[in-house]
Amino acid sequence: AQSVTQLGSHVSVSEGALVLLRCNYSSSVPPYLFWYVQYPNQGLQLLLKYTSAATLVKGINGFEAEFKKSETSFHLTKPSAHMSDAAEYFCAVSDRAGGYQKVTFGIGTKLQVIP
Amino acid sequence: EAGVAQSPRYKIIEKRQSVAFWCNPISGHATLYWYQQILGQGPKLLIQFQNNGVVDDSQLPKDRFSAERLKGVDSTLKIQPAKLEDSAVYLCASSPTLAGANTGELFFGEGSRLTVL
Repeated sequence: AQSVTQLGSHVSVSEGALVLLRCNYSSSVPPYLFWYVQYPNQGLQLLLKYTSAATLVKGINGFEAEFKKSETSFHLTKPSAHMSDAAEYFCAVSDRAGGYQKVTFGIGTKLQVIP
Repeated sequence: EAGVAQSPRYKIIEKRQSVAFWCNPISGHATLYWYQQILGQGPKLLIQFQNNGVVDDSQLPKDRFSAERLKGVDSTLKIQPAKLEDSAVYLCASSPTLAGANTGELFFGEGSRLTVL
């Protein structure tokens, strides 16, 4: 069975500081991994995805994530936080176990950016 | 390309009443998902369709929730009767399904926020 663990339901950083949001996964087969961002009163939108190509993945708004199979991790980073990055971030794992593509989300990490 | 459309955006009902949510996925997307997102939690899959067939409804409370996807296009999620704990945002998402090309990348609608009083 697949699962996602996001450490830290709330993270606060100062504007201009490094953003690090942690995600660990478990999957019985090679997974695809995603980060989604959700702004208030909106649906989720894709930030970036790992689909078995390069292990370092770059996404929108300056975010990137690195797939580390040995650590079963897919942490999200951004070198310098901007006020507009304040949102909730969800890590998701997708694998094809059982004949169809199943997608499971973590509980989310709410990012606060302090001016 | 039009995105995933959902309606209504907001709904307030009394407990024991019924409610229905509608979703129209991106054209050509064979897989449609309904997720429930309770405040402070991640999205939880309620039901997943591939074309008009159900592939996963293991977490759907079938005594009160039902969903259909007629003709493999748009979908309706119904709750009857509603309980207080059903207050949540109901997210619809779709993804393309081509042999060997479905990574599980989801395209979400803006969600339907349900408040049960």
